[in-house]
Amino acid sequence: DTAVSQTPKYLVTQMGNDKSIKCEQNLGHDTMYWYKQDSKKFLKIMFSYNNKELIINETVPNRFSPKSPDKAHLNLHINSLELGDSAVYFCASSQDWTQQYNEQFFGPGTRLTVL
Amino acid sequence: AQTVTQSQPEMSVQEAETVTLSCTYDTSESDYYLFWYKQPPSRQMILVIRQEAYKQQNATENRFSVNFQKAAKSFSLKISDSQLGDAAMYFCALIPRGGADGLTFGKGTHLIIQP
Repeated sequence: DTAVSQTPKYLVTQMGNDKSIKCEQNLGHDTMYWYKQDSKKFLKIMFSYNNKELIINETVPNRFSPKSPDKAHLNLHINSLELGDSAVYFCASSQDWTQQYNEQFFGPGTRLTVL
Repeated sequence: AQTVTQSQPEMSVQEAETVTLSCTYDTSESDYYLFWYKQPPSRQMILVIRQEAYKQQNATENRFSVNFQKAAKSFSLKISDSQLGDAAMYFCALIPRGGADGLTFGKGTHLIIQP
């Protein structure tokens, strides 16, 4: 059983398009995150949501808009895609960011390629 | 804000030997958690080991152990009896206790296992 799933795993698109990446967790966790891994493998937090509410919004262009319809889902919508958006995007979840121990479980990643 | 530094972009070890991956960090928080994640070519992020900063005892998980030096802000990972399946990128990460900031990652160390 997949704990954190993302769709699609691969996404190839043209500059200027709008695309979405979906994330679902079946762990009953309250907190979900989006991370970006660039071409040099550097991972950086983008957003975190707790119980459908935005907790963190790092310095991310407003072309990126996360949406959480319920606490099991956190989707990432990207408008007007640019070449620099090419990266692997990881969704993650944790039980609750206020918990004493905060292990994060990661999805398989979505490799986005913008042409 | 937190920073995590991994000074070894790449390490190589003979199968069955022991290797140590270095990690230093900086944080103004008094309580935090440290992690080592493994990312094999499949790109799945896999938790290897975790350490609570308030615990002086070094964490151990089978062949994996850490050397946690809180005063020096150092958190190295030792892999004993290296196996071919250990070949991967290894990321050191930190999160403050109760922090919604998400994980702060180092740039990673690429571990090569020589047969």
